[in-house]
Amino acid sequence: NSKVIQTPRYLVKGQGQKAKMRCIPEKGHPVVFWYQQNKNNEFKFLINFQNQEVLQQIDMTEKRFSAECPSNSPCSLEIQSSEAGDSALYLCASSRQINSDYTFGSGTRLLVI
Amino acid sequence: GDKVKQSPSALSLQEGTNSALRCNFSIAATTVQWFLQNPRGSLINLFYLVPGTKENGRLKSTFNSKESYSTLHIRDAQLEDSGTYFCAAGDYGGSGNKLIFGTGTLLSVKP
Repeated sequence: NSKVIQTPRYLVKGQGQKAKMRCIPEKGHPVVFWYQQNKNNEFKFLINFQNQEVLQQIDMTEKRFSAECPSNSPCSLEIQSSEAGDSALYLCASSRQINSDYTFGSGTRLLVI
Repeated sequence: GDKVKQSPSALSLQEGTNSALRCNFSIAATTVQWFLQNPRGSLINLFYLVPGTKENGRLKSTFNSKESYSTLHIRDAQLEDSGTYFCAAGDYGGSGNKLIFGTGTLLSVKP
């Protein structure tokens, strides 16, 4: 069982709806990453945090997603207005420091219909 | 893109046999991670490598940064080894601290 906890496991939303998923990083891991894995096994980096601060994010995340990692609360990733192309497995990972190994959660599988 | 090329894309093994998976990099990877994704979607961390070799049970992995490749050797394959294997390169110079993934090797181990 992963030490990174992601909820929910499955999420079904209509186009235009908000889709929110959560991640509890492994204890003692201040660095958190979000990736999107599509059905062709392509991984897209979305955003990462160190403690509560955003380190890097891509354009799509900046424009259409809302993400945060508040202290003492789960990290979250929310798509403001879901599109069919957002259907994918969203994976959260955490690490002890920026350039060390990652531990991944089991993912949230989003289906936008 | 093709910054991390994995081969083969699919592989079928008889239980008890050995095989090797490979990743070639067109970026200046400084670290490599290997993962196994099970049918539920969980990515299990197999190895984290700086240049060199690590071994864990029936698995052994090498990262050669000068020749820009990494290999994962599976010895005495078991049914539970089935799944999709991903390598991912850490390129802290070019892409910051993100991992760049290959598109996976789907391994099927048959009795």
